Amino acid sequence: AQSVTQPDIHITVSEGASLELRCNYSYGATPYLFWYVQSPGQGLQLLLKYFSGDTLVQGIKGFEAEFKRSQSSFNLRKPSVHWSDAAEYFCAVPYNNRKLIWGLGTSLAVNP
Amino acid sequence: EPEVTQTPSHQVTQMGQEVILRCVPISNHLYFYWYRQILGQKVEFLVSFYNNEISEKSEIFDDQFSVERPDGSNFTLKIRSTKLEDSAMYFCASSDRGGIYEQYFGPGTRLTVT
Repeated sequence: AQSVTQPDIHITVSEGASLELRCNYSYGATPYLFWYVQSPGQGLQLLLKYFSGDTLVQGIKGFEAEFKRSQSSFNLRKPSVHWSDAAEYFCAVPYNNRKLIWGLGTSLAVNP
Repeated sequence: EPEVTQTPSHQVTQMGQEVILRCVPISNHLYFYWYRQILGQKVEFLVSFYNNEISEKSEIFDDQFSVERPDGSNFTLKIRSTKLEDSAMYFCASSDRGGIYEQYFGPGTRLTVT
Protein backbone atom coordinates (compact mmCIF):
# COMPACT_ATOMS: atom_id res chain seq x y z
CA ALA A 1 0.00 0.00 0.00
CA GLN A 2 1.10 3.53 -0.62
CA SER A 3 2.66 5.37 2.28
CA VAL A 4 4.47 8.62 2.89
CA THR A 5 7.19 9.26 5.44
CA GLN A 6 8.39 12.63 6.56
CA PRO A 7 11.30 11.80 8.86
CA ASP A 8 11.62 15.23 10.44
CA ILE A 9 8.82 16.18 12.81
CA HIS A 10 10.24 19.61 13.57
CA ILE A 11 12.94 21.74 11.95
CA THR A 12 14.28 25.12 12.99
CA VAL A 13 16.27 27.28 10.60
CA SER A 14 17.51 30.84 10.66
CA GLU A 15 15.98 33.38 8.36
CA GLY A 16 17.95 33.51 5.12
CA ALA A 17 19.27 29.97 5.52
CA SER A 18 18.52 27.24 3.03
CA LEU A 19 15.91 24.61 3.75
CA GLU A 20 15.32 21.01 2.78
CA LEU A 21 12.34 19.02 4.02
CA ARG A 22 12.44 15.31 3.38
CA CYS A 23 9.70 13.12 1.99
CA ASN A 24 9.93 9.44 1.15
CA TYR A 25 7.16 7.46 -0.43
CA SER A 26 6.27 3.88 -0.98
CA TYR A 27 4.54 3.32 -4.29
CA GLY A 28 4.62 0.64 -6.97
CA ALA A 29 4.62 2.83 -10.04
CA THR A 30 5.73 6.36 -10.75
CA PRO A 31 3.73 8.38 -8.32
CA TYR A 32 2.07 11.70 -8.41
CA LEU A 33 3.48 13.72 -5.53
CA PHE A 34 2.33 16.82 -3.72
CA TRP A 35 3.61 19.23 -1.13
CA TYR A 36 1.07 21.23 0.86
CA VAL A 37 1.67 23.95 3.44
CA GLN A 38 -0.54 24.86 6.38
CA SER A 39 0.09 28.23 7.95
CA PRO A 40 -1.34 28.86 11.41
CA GLY A 41 -5.10 29.26 11.17
CA GLN A 42 -5.07 28.59 7.44
CA GLY A 43 -6.13 25.72 5.26
CA LEU A 44 -3.88 23.39 3.31
CA GLN A 45 -2.36 25.19 0.34
CA LEU A 46 -0.71 23.39 -2.54
CA LEU A 47 2.94 24.38 -2.90
CA LEU A 48 3.80 22.21 -5.86
CA LYS A 49 3.08 18.92 -7.54
CA TYR A 50 4.87 16.35 -9.64
CA PHE A 51 2.96 14.37 -12.23
CA SER A 52 5.58 13.54 -14.87
CA GLY A 53 8.38 15.03 -16.91
CA ASP A 54 11.06 17.21 -15.43
CA THR A 55 12.00 15.85 -12.03
CA LEU A 56 12.72 19.31 -10.63
CA VAL A 57 9.45 21.05 -9.97
CA GLN A 58 8.99 24.72 -9.20
CA GLY A 59 6.24 25.84 -6.90
CA ILE A 60 4.86 28.92 -5.26
CA LYS A 61 6.65 31.08 -2.69
CA GLY A 62 10.07 30.19 -4.09
CA PHE A 63 9.87 26.50 -3.24
CA GLU A 64 11.06 23.65 -5.42
CA ALA A 65 11.13 19.89 -5.08
CA GLU A 66 13.06 17.15 -6.79
CA PHE A 67 11.67 13.73 -7.57
CA LYS A 68 14.31 11.01 -7.23
CA ARG A 69 12.98 7.65 -8.22
CA SER A 70 16.11 5.79 -7.10
CA GLN A 71 15.69 7.15 -3.58
CA SER A 72 11.88 7.18 -3.54
CA SER A 73 12.12 10.76 -2.43
CA PHE A 74 10.49 14.08 -3.18
CA ASN A 75 12.33 16.58 -1.00
CA LEU A 76 11.20 20.17 -0.73
CA ARG A 77 13.79 22.92 -0.89
CA LYS A 78 14.07 26.66 -0.62
CA PRO A 79 17.37 28.52 -1.00
CA SER A 80 16.58 31.32 1.46
CA VAL A 81 13.89 30.99 4.10
CA HIS A 82 11.70 33.92 5.15
CA TRP A 83 10.07 34.30 8.55
CA SER A 84 6.68 33.92 6.86
CA ASP A 85 7.61 30.38 5.81
CA ALA A 86 7.07 29.16 9.36
CA ALA A 87 4.28 26.61 8.95
CA GLU A 88 3.47 22.93 8.78
CA TYR A 89 4.52 21.17 5.57
CA PHE A 90 2.89 18.01 4.30
CA CYS A 91 3.90 15.61 1.58
CA ALA A 92 1.13 13.54 -0.01
CA VAL A 93 0.59 10.90 -2.66
CA PRO A 94 -2.69 9.84 -4.25
CA TYR A 95 -4.28 6.46 -3.80
CA ASN A 96 -6.64 5.01 -6.37
CA ASN A 97 -6.82 8.44 -7.99
CA ARG A 98 -9.45 9.47 -5.51
CA LYS A 99 -7.80 10.39 -2.25
CA LEU A 100 -4.55 11.63 -0.83
CA ILE A 101 -2.31 9.71 1.56
CA TRP A 102 -0.41 12.09 3.81
CA GLY A 103 2.85 12.22 5.67
CA LEU A 104 2.87 13.19 9.32
CA GLY A 105 4.07 16.67 8.46
CA THR A 106 7.13 18.72 9.32
CA SER A 107 6.76 21.77 11.49
CA LEU A 108 9.11 24.55 10.39
CA ALA A 109 10.21 27.29 12.77
CA VAL A 110 12.23 30.24 11.53
CA ASN A 111 14.57 32.14 13.82
CA PRO A 112 15.09 35.83 13.12
CA GLU B 1 -9.19 34.02 -6.02
CA PRO B 2 -11.96 31.54 -5.25
CA GLU B 3 -11.56 29.54 -2.09
CA VAL B 4 -13.17 26.81 -0.07
CA THR B 5 -14.80 28.04 3.12
CA GLN B 6 -15.77 26.09 6.21
CA THR B 7 -17.98 26.89 9.17
CA PRO B 8 -17.70 26.96 12.06
CA SER B 9 -13.99 27.37 12.63
CA HIS B 10 -14.31 25.70 16.01
CA GLN B 11 -17.11 23.55 17.37
CA VAL B 12 -17.34 22.22 20.89
CA THR B 13 -19.90 19.53 21.55
CA GLN B 14 -20.73 16.95 24.16
CA MET B 15 -20.28 13.26 23.57
CA GLY B 16 -23.34 11.74 21.97
CA GLN B 17 -24.47 14.94 20.32
CA GLU B 18 -24.91 15.39 16.59
CA VAL B 19 -22.76 17.88 14.74
CA ILE B 20 -22.88 19.19 11.22
CA LEU B 21 -19.77 20.66 9.68
CA ARG B 22 -20.35 22.88 6.72
CA CYS B 23 -18.29 23.57 3.65
CA VAL B 24 -18.79 25.77 0.63
CA PRO B 25 -16.62 24.38 -2.17
CA ILE B 26 -15.39 26.43 -5.09
CA SER B 27 -18.40 27.13 -7.26
CA ASN B 28 -17.52 25.27 -10.45
CA HIS B 29 -16.02 22.25 -8.71
CA LEU B 30 -17.70 18.89 -8.94
CA TYR B 31 -15.63 16.65 -6.66
CA PHE B 32 -15.73 17.04 -2.92
CA TYR B 33 -13.77 15.50 -0.08
CA TRP B 34 -13.56 15.39 3.68
CA TYR B 35 -10.33 14.70 5.53
CA ARG B 36 -9.56 14.86 9.21
CA GLN B 37 -6.46 15.31 11.32
CA ILE B 38 -6.38 14.15 14.89
CA LEU B 39 -3.88 16.19 16.88
CA GLY B 40 -0.38 14.84 16.36
CA GLN B 41 -1.46 12.36 13.71
CA LYS B 42 -1.56 12.25 9.93
CA VAL B 43 -4.24 13.81 7.80
CA GLU B 44 -6.67 11.00 6.97
CA PHE B 45 -9.07 10.65 4.09
CA LEU B 46 -12.71 10.23 5.11
CA VAL B 47 -14.86 10.39 2.01
CA SER B 48 -15.10 11.59 -1.56
CA PHE B 49 -18.33 12.70 -3.22
CA TYR B 50 -19.31 13.21 -6.82
CA ASN B 51 -22.58 13.50 -8.69
CA ASN B 52 -24.57 13.43 -5.46
CA GLU B 53 -23.16 10.20 -4.21
CA ILE B 54 -20.21 8.87 -2.28
CA SER B 55 -17.49 7.66 -4.63
CA GLU B 56 -15.19 6.34 -1.94
CA LYS B 57 -15.05 6.20 1.83
CA SER B 58 -12.49 5.07 4.34
CA GLU B 59 -12.95 2.58 7.14
CA ILE B 60 -13.22 5.56 9.49
CA PHE B 61 -16.38 6.69 7.71
CA ASP B 62 -18.82 4.39 9.46
CA ASP B 63 -22.58 4.65 9.93
CA GLN B 64 -22.12 7.55 12.32
CA PHE B 65 -20.93 9.72 9.45
CA SER B 66 -22.88 11.04 6.50
CA VAL B 67 -22.35 13.64 3.82
CA GLU B 68 -24.79 15.68 1.87
CA ARG B 69 -24.93 18.36 -0.73
CA PRO B 70 -28.24 19.90 0.30
CA ASP B 71 -28.18 22.66 -2.30
CA GLY B 72 -25.97 23.89 -5.09
CA SER B 73 -23.36 25.39 -2.85
CA ASN B 74 -22.99 23.59 0.48
CA PHE B 75 -21.35 20.28 1.29
CA THR B 76 -21.88 18.98 4.80
CA LEU B 77 -20.42 16.32 7.05
CA LYS B 78 -22.70 15.04 9.78
CA ILE B 79 -21.59 13.02 12.77
CA ARG B 80 -24.69 11.53 14.38
CA SER B 81 -23.43 10.68 17.82
CA THR B 82 -20.03 12.13 18.53
CA LYS B 83 -17.36 10.28 20.44
CA LEU B 84 -14.34 11.65 22.22
CA GLU B 85 -12.13 10.20 19.49
CA ASP B 86 -13.92 12.30 16.87
CA SER B 87 -12.09 15.33 18.22
CA ALA B 88 -9.98 16.49 15.29
CA MET B 89 -9.51 19.12 12.63
CA TYR B 90 -11.83 18.42 9.72
CA PHE B 91 -10.85 19.65 6.28
CA CYS B 92 -13.10 19.99 3.28
CA ALA B 93 -11.61 19.98 -0.20
CA SER B 94 -12.91 20.31 -3.73
CA SER B 95 -11.55 19.86 -7.23
CA ASP B 96 -12.83 20.51 -10.70
CA ARG B 97 -11.67 17.22 -12.12
CA GLY B 98 -11.75 13.66 -11.05
CA GLY B 99 -8.63 11.68 -10.48
CA ILE B 100 -5.81 13.26 -8.59
CA TYR B 101 -5.53 16.81 -9.65
CA GLU B 102 -5.23 19.70 -7.33
CA GLN B 103 -7.59 19.56 -4.41
CA TYR B 104 -8.35 22.94 -2.88
CA PHE B 105 -8.70 22.85 0.87
CA GLY B 106 -10.67 24.92 3.30
CA PRO B 107 -9.23 26.29 6.56
CA GLY B 108 -10.71 23.46 8.59
CA THR B 109 -13.13 23.09 11.46
CA ARG B 110 -11.69 22.13 14.81
CA LEU B 111 -14.13 19.78 16.51
CA THR B 112 -13.74 19.25 20.22
CA VAL B 113 -15.87 16.55 21.84
CA THR B 114 -16.08 16.72 25.62
